[in-house]
Amino acid sequence: GQQLNQSPQSMFIQEGEDVSMNCTSSSIFNTWLWYKQDPGEGPVLLIALYKAGELTSNGRLTAQFGITRKDSFLNISASIPSDVGIYFCAGQLVGADGLTFGKGTHLIIQP
Amino acid sequence: GAGVSQTPSNKVTEKGKYVELRCDPISGHTALYWYRQSLGQGPEFLIYFQGTGAADDSGLPNDRFFAVRPEGSVSTLKIQRTERGDSAVYLCASSLTPVMGEQYFGPGTRLTVT
Repeated sequence: GQQLNQSPQSMFIQEGEDVSMNCTSSSIFNTWLWYKQDPGEGPVLLIALYKAGELTSNGRLTAQFGITRKDSFLNISASIPSDVGIYFCAGQLVGADGLTFGKGTHLIIQP
Repeated sequence: GAGVSQTPSNKVTEKGKYVELRCDPISGHTALYWYRQSLGQGPEFLIYFQGTGAADDSGLPNDRFFAVRPEGSVSTLKIQRTERGDSAVYLCASSLTPVMGEQYFGPGTRLTVT
């Protein structure tokens, strides 16, 4: 099936550092979403993007919908211990109902 | 109780048995989705309901999988003749409308087929 290429696969950072992760695809998406998933829980929606070029913030999180509609990035500023988890990008293809997910970025924060 | 709820949280069954997984969406959300998540992977779309009807079941892997939503609220995912490869976390999500794409997920049901 359709794949989203999400990178990096994992990140080991120090508390207080900024984090950046991204997703790319060969297909055009009309919506990009970023989720965070903790162990044993379902994904929690962080940010939703609907327009090419859109830049949206949610607290320390900032995400952008790429101009080509084939990519998106998520930045986390001044990371804190509770940011640990797996971050997923997800996109909705034009005409599709379900979301297509990346494989996730595993964020690990060293104190 | 504002979120999506799923029961059971864990289900262990023997190969060949039948299982039912239940999803209770956010009140007022007309769109309901089922996904399957294998270890180390992102969720994969299975089926989408708009109201009572299955509007898109293109993600169901085979005819052993079936889902219903008879009254347009609660949904049940049914798996017949379970196989070990069906072991995964089954996630349900709902959205206010399907157009905007914001889907809110439940905690999932971890299915283990022995």
